Amino acid sequence: NAGVTQTPKFQVLKTGQSMTLQCAQDMNHEYMSWYRQDPGMGLRLIHYSVGAGITDQGEVPNGYNVSRSTTEDFPLRLLSAAPSQTSVYFCASSYRTDQSSYNSPLHFGNGTRLTVT
Amino acid sequence: AQRVTQPEKLLSVFKGAPVELKCNYSYSGSPELFWYVQYSRQRLQLLLRHISRESIKGFTADLNKGETSFHLKKPFAQEEDSAMYYCALRRERQLTFGSGTQLTVLP
Repeated sequence: NAGVTQTPKFQVLKTGQSMTLQCAQDMNHEYMSWYRQDPGMGLRLIHYSVGAGITDQGEVPNGYNVSRSTTEDFPLRLLSAAPSQTSVYFCASSYRTDQSSYNSPLHFGNGTRLTVT
Repeated sequence: AQRVTQPEKLLSVFKGAPVELKCNYSYSGSPELFWYVQYSRQRLQLLLRHISRESIKGFTADLNKGETSFHLKKPFAQEEDSAMYYCALRRERQLTFGSGTQLTVLP
């Protein structure tokens, strides 16, 4: 299993440009999520999905869109990039979505480092 | 709303010394807490969870509901423990992370 795969690893955008960060998992996980990691602020949840066709907002959803057309893929779209979106983005997935997460740790991708100039 | 606080951004200890990484939380319900770790050039990964009361790589963490804390402890730190450590709290379908503590174990 490849686990959680994120592409690209690095990206530089100009203000106003759009792009999609890709995330794919091959573990048949129900739950997928996107976090951004900023110095001094830890990881903040952007959006998450509990299954194909279902998405919901996290703590910092503004400026980002997501969709979940398949179980495997969960792309994150920036429609009009802003310098405030410069960050490291992590995709993470887990098997179960109920409250008992004993057997469902989050599996993380390697991250995408995005710079918006 | 839930909140996770890790008061130390940086923590340095000498090899063989005890280490404690602090984590405090605020949550009105019954908390489910975790420690995640990111070693250099590796993915963020689960270290341990309070519900299993396990010891992983010599680390333990005890949930103290009275003090709303979930501190991570190891009696004898090793150089390979150097990493970024995140405390996290799960509420329903969302996992909230603290800001992280960068642990450096000096030789």
